[in-house]
Amino acid sequence: EIVLTQSPGTLSLSPGERATLSCRASQSVSSSYLAWYQQKPGQAPRLLIYGASRRATGIPDRFSGSGSGTDFTLTISRLEPEDFAVYYCQQYGSPPNTFGQGTKLEIK
Amino acid sequence: QVQLQESGPGLVKPSETLSLTCTVSGGSISSYYWSWIRQPPGKGLEWIGYIYYTGSTNYNPSLKSRVTISIDTSKNQFSLKLSSVTAADTAVYYCARAPPYGAYLLDYWGQGTLVTVSS
Repeated sequence: EIVLTQSPGTLSLSPGERATLSCRASQSVSSSYLAWYQQKPGQAPRLLIYGASRRATGIPDRFSGSGSGTDFTLTISRLEPEDFAVYYCQQYGSPPNTFGQGTKLEIK
Repeated sequence: QVQLQESGPGLVKPSETLSLTCTVSGGSISSYYWSWIRQPPGKGLEWIGYIYYTGSTNYNPSLKSRVTISIDTSKNQFSLKLSSVTAADTAVYYCARAPPYGAYLLDYWGQGTLVTVSS
């Protein structure tokens, strides 16, 4: 199975700053089938990005995804207070689909 | 707006079978994939398996021997059974929907239900 490694484990930033989160796969992700989810405490994950770079319905354009092969990035252009959460990447091109261990984005 | 709601016992004894049901409202269960995912307290996400509305299933190999997912389209519900549970199966269990073009792409989630395995 494909192992996804997210970095950093924790990212401390201030509102208004730019956040860059990384997801590295142990082997190439088929057809860029890479998604990003946001999870706030006590809530279910929410789909943000799929196909590496496509925003899900209702997701603000400050969220963007990029990458291919084994290296993927989630960028939040200007952090809003509600963006501080845990972010997971998921590959869904090679069964079984797998998740990264998460990056916690916290307020500095 | 599609909504999913998990239901079932919050406490299961070791060696017994965990049983959960997910009720889908605000949309049809047809034409989609329906998954179960779990998250141990303070840890990451693990996909358990999915069922297509036709009844075909796919399970995580790590759990395959203990998992059964079924569907009742007349009730807009699907269910999870996990047998021979241990403390390691303690987790928040989520049900989720995936679209026809991405069986593992989870676009709508239930709120989750905590299941504790303990005697």
